[in-house]
Amino acid sequence: NAGVTQTPKFRVLKTGQSMTLLCAQDMNHEYMYWYRQDPGMGLRLIHYSVGEGTTAKGEVPDGYNVSRLKKQNFLLGLESAAPSQTSVYFCASSFRVRLVGSPLHFGNGTRLTVT
Amino acid sequence: AQTVTQSQPEMSVQEAETVTLSCTYDTSESNYYLFWYKQPPSRQMILVIRQEAYKQQNATENRFSVNFQKAAKSFSLKISDSQLGDTAMYFCAFMDRKETSGSRLTFGEGTQLTVNP
Repeated sequence: NAGVTQTPKFRVLKTGQSMTLLCAQDMNHEYMYWYRQDPGMGLRLIHYSVGEGTTAKGEVPDGYNVSRLKKQNFLLGLESAAPSQTSVYFCASSFRVRLVGSPLHFGNGTRLTVT
Repeated sequence: AQTVTQSQPEMSVQEAETVTLSCTYDTSESNYYLFWYKQPPSRQMILVIRQEAYKQQNATENRFSVNFQKAAKSFSLKISDSQLGDTAMYFCAFMDRKETSGSRLTFGEGTQLTVNP
């Protein structure tokens, strides 16, 4: 049982390049999320998905796109990377059942540097 | 929109002592959950403790306990008998119970805790 797996773990991009971060979960979770972590700002939600084929914007969605074609996968795309997107990116997933505040399960993060 | 504030960017404590991390939040919701997550240098996000707002009893998990003051919108974390392995960044987080919110977490800025030998 791998939980939430993010690939790659590290990446360096040049300004203007594009890339896709992949998140995969094997816990049959309905909900999936992409966060970015920056010093002094905690984790901020970029986009999230409440089910296959559906996505929604979070707090800081500009410059990112997402897709959830399969329940177990959630992709985060950067079409034209900018230095402001240098960050650590976390994927997370959770069950839909909310009676007990189903906690989020996190991947180990992707450190992205844009030069 | 909800906000979560952790006013202590850094804290330190001696091994075996007790430390309390502060968290305040702002919301107009009445039903919600609060969490503390721990992030050690490995970068992994680890759930420490969870509190349901409709429960008045404070949650406890071994050496970790919370002081939940709903009226004051305060949710502090107490770590007893601190251990070196408790050294980490600690995040307070809020989740409302509305189905339309998709179980999203709103995080505070984090508190870096260092346990000294």
